[in-house]
Order: sequence, then C-alpha cells, then structure tokens
Amino acid sequence: AQSVTQLDSQVPVFEEAPVELRCNYSSSVSVYLFWYVQYPNQGLQLLLKYLSGSTLVKGINGFEAEFNKSQTSFHLRKPSVHISDTAEYFCAVSEASSSTGGFKTIFGAGTRLFVKA
Amino acid sequence: DGGITQSPKYLFRKEGQNVTLSCEQNLNHDAMYWYRQDPGQGLRLIYYSQIVNDFQKGDIAEGYSVSREKKESFPLTVTSAQKNPTAFYLCASTGGPETQYFGPGTRLLVL
Repeated sequence: AQSVTQLDSQVPVFEEAPVELRCNYSSSVSVYLFWYVQYPNQGLQLLLKYLSGSTLVKGINGFEAEFNKSQTSFHLRKPSVHISDTAEYFCAVSEASSSTGGFKTIFGAGTRLFVKA
Repeated sequence: DGGITQSPKYLFRKEGQNVTLSCEQNLNHDAMYWYRQDPGQGLRLIYYSQIVNDFQKGDIAEGYSVSREKKESFPLTVTSAQKNPTAFYLCASTGGPETQYFGPGTRLLVL
C-alpha cells in the first residue's frame, strides 16, 4: 500500500538559516514525487517534482529536493529561508493505479514551516 | 489565463441541508479531483473523475456526491448524510500523471 510520512508536523527556524523538511514514502512500484506549498486559506502550489533522471531536483523560491530510492525519501531543503517562506508544505507521491488505469496521488499530513525574525 | 476556479470562497450549511461547491477549469484537463483538508490530516481524496460522465469514489466518499457532465466542471455536493462537513475543500485537475493544479478552495462551515 502507498503511504507518505512527513516526519515533522512543525519546523520553527530563524530567518536566513537552512531548513530541511523530511518526507518518506512507501511504494512497491515506480513513483512520481512532489512538494507543494500552501499559504493560509489558499490552494496548493507546486514547488518541485521528480519524475525521472537526476535525483536532485530544483524548484521555485530556491527550494530543492533529493530523491533517495534506497531510503525511499524525498527531503526538501533550502539553504537560507525568508519570512515569506512561512507556510505549510506537503509531500506527495503519485503512482499508477492497476484498478483504474490512471494515477493515484497520496499526500502527506503536511509540515508547517515557521520562519522567525 | 488558464486555471481552476472554486466558488464560493466561504459556504455556510444548516443542519439537514445539501450544499454544492463549484469547480471549473479551463486547462483542458481530463482528470479532476476533490479533496477535503482538515487540520493536521493533510488532503484526503473524496471523488475523482478521469473523463466526462465517469467518476470514482475516493477514500472518504460517504456523504458526498459529484457529477461530471462537462469537461470543465466537477461540482461537489455535500449532503445531509455528511455529519461532520466543516473543512476546507480543494478541487484539482491534471492533464496526466504529473502535477495537480489546485483551485483556491472553499471553506465550509456549519451554522
């Protein structure tokens, strides 16, 4: 069964410090991996995605993530955060569904990043 | 500009009442989704549709219904059978196995 675990529900960090948001997944087949960001009372916006190829993926707003197949992880990193990065971040995994012929996406529970001045 | 619109932004439901949330997209996407978001629980799939006139139940379909009569539209009805409807509802669409594009959401509150 597919599942996504975001290991930290909240991550407080000071402005200009580095941050890592952790994501682990379980799946028996090849997957696509995503990080989305959600600002208060808004929909989700794509930060970055891994489909294939290079395991280091760069996204918007200076974020990057590394796909580690052996550890089934897709951790999100930023070397220096800003106050404006305060938001909720969701890791997601998409895999082919044998029952429907389409793709099913599972989201993690989210990590709230709080950047302090 | 292409995108997904949801309306209304806030919706109030009285006990025993059915309410309908609107979702429209002009991205020419085949697949559309409805998610429910509760604090600390991430997104849970209610219903999805991969093509017009076809839809499937997600993980928490009880108390909800949908229709997909047009490619652009995927309305969600929260029925009186849904006993705990207070949540943030998100609609999304995708053109393939990749990125899901999300609407701005509708917050449903019970009076």
